This record gives sequence, C-alpha cells and structure tokens, in this order.
Amino acid sequence: EAQVTQNPRYLITVTGKKLTVTCSQNMNHEYMSWYRQDPGLGLRQIYYSMNVEVTDKGDVPEGYKVSRKEKRNFPLILESPSPNQTSLYFCASSSRLYGAGEVYEQYFGPGTRLTVT
Amino acid sequence: SQQGEEDPQALSIQEGENATMNCSYKTSINNLQWYRQNSGRGLVHLILIRSNEREKHSGRLRVTLDTSKKSSSLLITASRAADTASYFCATDAVGGGSNYKLTFGKGTLLTVNP
Repeated sequence: EAQVTQNPRYLITVTGKKLTVTCSQNMNHEYMSWYRQDPGLGLRQIYYSMNVEVTDKGDVPEGYKVSRKEKRNFPLILESPSPNQTSLYFCASSSRLYGAGEVYEQYFGPGTRLTVT
Repeated sequence: SQQGEEDPQALSIQEGENATMNCSYKTSINNLQWYRQNSGRGLVHLILIRSNEREKHSGRLRVTLDTSKKSSSLLITASRAADTASYFCATDAVGGGSNYKLTFGKGTLLTVNP
C-alpha cells in the first residue's frame, strides 16, 4: 500500500531533550516536506527536500533540522525542543514537479502529536 | 506570510445541501489545490487546478479559479455527513526556479448535519 508513515505518533518530552521524528514514504517520491499545524495558524511549512541531499527552509524553520540521506526517508530533528514547538506535525511527499517551482499533489502522513513540557 | 485564506471559517449545513467554500490568495500561482482533513488526521488531496484552468470537476466536487480576482471556490454538491471535515486550499506560488513551496490557508470547518 502506498503510504507515508511517521513515528512516533504521539510524544511527550521535556525541554532541551533532543528528539527525532521519522518519516518514510514507499512511493519513490522526490519531494518531501514537513509541516506543523497549530490552532488558529493553520498548516505551516518547516522544511522541504527536492531530492537526496537537497533541502531548503520553509516558512518556520527555526529550531528544526532535517536531513535527506535516502530518497524514502526525511527525518525531522529537534535539537533542543522548547514548549513553543508543541504542535501537530505532518510529513508529506509528492512525485510530480511541473517545470520550475511547481509542486503537485502531496500525500500526507498520519501526523505526530508532540508535547514539550 | 499566509498565501491562501479560506472563507468562511466555519460552515454548517444539512445533509443533501450544497456547500461552497472560498479561497483568496495574494500572489501569482502555478496551481491551487484543495485538501480535506478529518479531525486530527492527515490531509487528503482532493483536486488540483492549474493557473490556466478555470473550472474542474471530480465526482461531487467542483472547483473554480479566477486568477484575475486571485480567488477559488470549492463546491461540494449533495453533501453527506461523511463530508464533515476541515477543507484547506493550498497555493503553489510562482517564486522562481528554486522555490518549491506549498502554502496552506487556515481552513474551513464544514459540518454536515444528518
């Protein structure tokens, strides 16, 4: 089954304790992205990756790191989490890119609910 | 900055009625997409309309795009209780060859009452 998986689905942690949220897709997609969703603010892009070893900042990259060493995986790293990073996080992937700068339909993972105390 | 903004923020209708949601955006786009999200779950892609298209249909969904007004509408006909969800528009703004970003609005919460 074609899907995007995220782990863990729920995580409660403390301020400053490094964590990694994994994301994996089995559709051979080039494009992958991370979003956070907060009440009243909607969905905001954190980082995206065009392909292996190619990543770029989204709208809210501060406090996050990513890496793309393999095509299928795109982990999100919080080196020193803070309470303002408490949020619902989504990973997404997409295969088709039309021309310069166009993003096609995205497939979303089920989400990771992170609480930082 | 938020590119797409949906209107209304919330909409409540009876089963069988049509639901219309609107999206406005600020800059030129390559395409505009609509997604559905059931409470707390991942978003599901519904339909994509490109900047050179004016209308598109998919089942009970009809999407229009007016690039002169920088707006789009999503019409769900003959709504069902299962259509209850949040609906988001997302725009892929024209921003140069290396700017592959999809920007989402804050969503419209649709409630379809049985």
